[in-house]
Amino acid sequence: DAGVTQSPTHLIKTRGQQVTLRCSPKSGHDTVSWYQQALGQGPQFIFQYYEEEERQRGNFPDRFSGHQFPNYSSELNVNALLLGDSALYLCASSFDRAGYSEAFFGQGTRLTVV
Amino acid sequence: RKEVEQDPGPFNVPEGATVAFNCTYSNSASQSFFWYRQDCRKEPKLLMSVYSSGNEDGRFTAQLNRASQYISLLIRDSKLSDSATYLCVVFPYNFNKFYFGSGTKLNVKP
Repeated sequence: DAGVTQSPTHLIKTRGQQVTLRCSPKSGHDTVSWYQQALGQGPQFIFQYYEEEERQRGNFPDRFSGHQFPNYSSELNVNALLLGDSALYLCASSFDRAGYSEAFFGQGTRLTVV
Repeated sequence: RKEVEQDPGPFNVPEGATVAFNCTYSNSASQSFFWYRQDCRKEPKLLMSVYSSGNEDGRFTAQLNRASQYISLLIRDSKLSDSATYLCVVFPYNFNKFYFGSGTKLNVKP
């Protein structure tokens, strides 16, 4: 059973460019959340997708957008990249149900903006 | 105030020591609680869930105190391989998303 997979694992972009990161959730999971983790910090919630819609959003600008496909996979898009967007981007999948819900993480995409 | 607060450490302990981490959370509606372990430049991995009655998994014991809104992780007989950052995670059902602490760094030394 494949866990959460993310691609690419590493990426270098220049300021002003756009980037798309991809995530395939763990089998049986229907909810995908994206997190940004800066060096030395805990993961910060960007947004969550469920049933192909953005259900929740953290405190991130509109430059950050996403999508969820019918097979539950998801993309994170970041436009007009800034140096401060350099971070590890983590995708977490979970199963939507009341109460208890573990999240499983992909290995992350390390984005460097130069 | 942050949703989840942890002492960043680092905690530097010798092999065989017992070490405890605490974490406080602000949302009283928080329903599920977890400890994740994160190795350097890797993704977080679930270490254990935290139940109201407390739970133990080998050398690791997790406790929850809802009245005081904190959770703890106790590691007994520390191993070199326990060196990592430990993230406290809460899941308030009314927000339906995970809140992470900034992590507590543990260094176990020979």
